[in-house]
Parts: sequence; structure tokens; C-alpha cells
Amino acid sequence: ETGVTQSPTHLIKTRGQQVTLRCSSQSGHNTVSWYQQALGQGPQFIFQYYREEENGRGNFPPRFSGLQFPNYSSELNVNALELDDSALYLCASSPGGSSGNTIYFGEGSWLTVV
Amino acid sequence: RKEVEQDPGPFNVPEGATVAFNCTYSNSASQSFFWYRQDCRKEPKLLMSVYSSGNEDGRFTAQLNRASQYISLLIRDSKLSDSATYLCVVNPGGGSNYKLTFGKGTLLTVNP
Repeated sequence: ETGVTQSPTHLIKTRGQQVTLRCSSQSGHNTVSWYQQALGQGPQFIFQYYREEENGRGNFPPRFSGLQFPNYSSELNVNALELDDSALYLCASSPGGSSGNTIYFGEGSWLTVV
Repeated sequence: RKEVEQDPGPFNVPEGATVAFNCTYSNSASQSFFWYRQDCRKEPKLLMSVYSSGNEDGRFTAQLNRASQYISLLIRDSKLSDSATYLCVVNPGGGSNYKLTFGKGTLLTVNP
């Protein structure tokens, strides 16, 4: 497959709780992006990390935050969960520099907020 | 105007049919364009990149019209396995900027 792994694959949280989703990027990829895909919609860009620094953010509130570690794996944290946060969360990794635009998605984490 | 807008679908076609998907984008400075395929409850996978000169990959042909900010995908001789959601994707930043903007997707069902 793509070499991008995400965990957990499915989880259920209660409104107001916090969640952490994890992503291991493909070997050698130093750029990780996170996307939210609500039912019936296309993925929406949340933010991107490049060499442990945030490198761009979409239209998401500050309660969506992230981290990238020295091994380029990444976390997405969402605080104060709302019902509308229920979605598929996709992590995508890519090589930095001028390697072209191919990105590789993980299989995603399905989050249900009740 | 939405950044990337696609035919709403769904499309239901018989095997062997030719089907075309259309997409428009709002950012005239966009640099890179793609079609992704997404199977039910799976992650999106790159189907093909789209170039100004048009490009073909077997039964699939993609076209880009920068003047009209329009992208298309044509599937000839549809197979049952082509059933999926097709996502029009634009990279507004170009180059190695991987912040992709996705359309809502168009669901295709190919019937026997």
C-alpha cells in the first residue's frame, strides 16, 4: 500500500472530549498534511507540517492542533469535540523539495462524536 | 463561488458506456490539477494528473482548459470496477506545495 499508517481506525467520543489521531508517514517523507472528510463531502485541508513546523493551515478553529515529530510522524489533536467533527480524518505524506506533487494518503481514522 | 465545483451526480451508466465528469475551479493562479478516485469508505487514490496538453491513460482521458478554468475526465468502455467517487483536485500553490483543494466528488455506478 502507501506506507502511510493511521491510528486508531475507528473511535467514538462524546461531545466536549478531546481526541488525538496519529499518523506515520512514508519513509523519507518529511511533509504531512491532515484533511477532514465529512460524509458526502470532499476532503478539506486542515493543516500541513514540514520538518516539525506548521506550514499552512486551512479554515479550521484553533481547537484543531497538530504536531510533527523528528521521525516525521504526526498527531492531530481536537479539543472540545463537537458533533460536526464527526468525519473521516485523513493523513497524507509527501516528500519535500521539488519531488513533484504526488501525495500518499493513509486509510484514515473514522471519528464519531455523540 | 466554491473553489472547486463538480457535477453533483450521481451517474448511473451501463457497462461499456462512456461517461464524462466536469469540474471548474475559481483560483486562476492554480498550478496543478488531478483526478482522484475514492472507493466507499476508503482513502482517495490518485487516478491521474491533468496537463494543459491533455493526457490519456488507457480508457481515461483528462483535459484542462486554463482559460475557462475547467477540468474534465472521460472514461470510455466503463467497467464495473470503475464504480467509485471521482474527486476533482486542485493544488492552488503549485510546485511542492501539497495543500490540495478537493471538489465534493461525483459518484459513478456502473451497472451490469
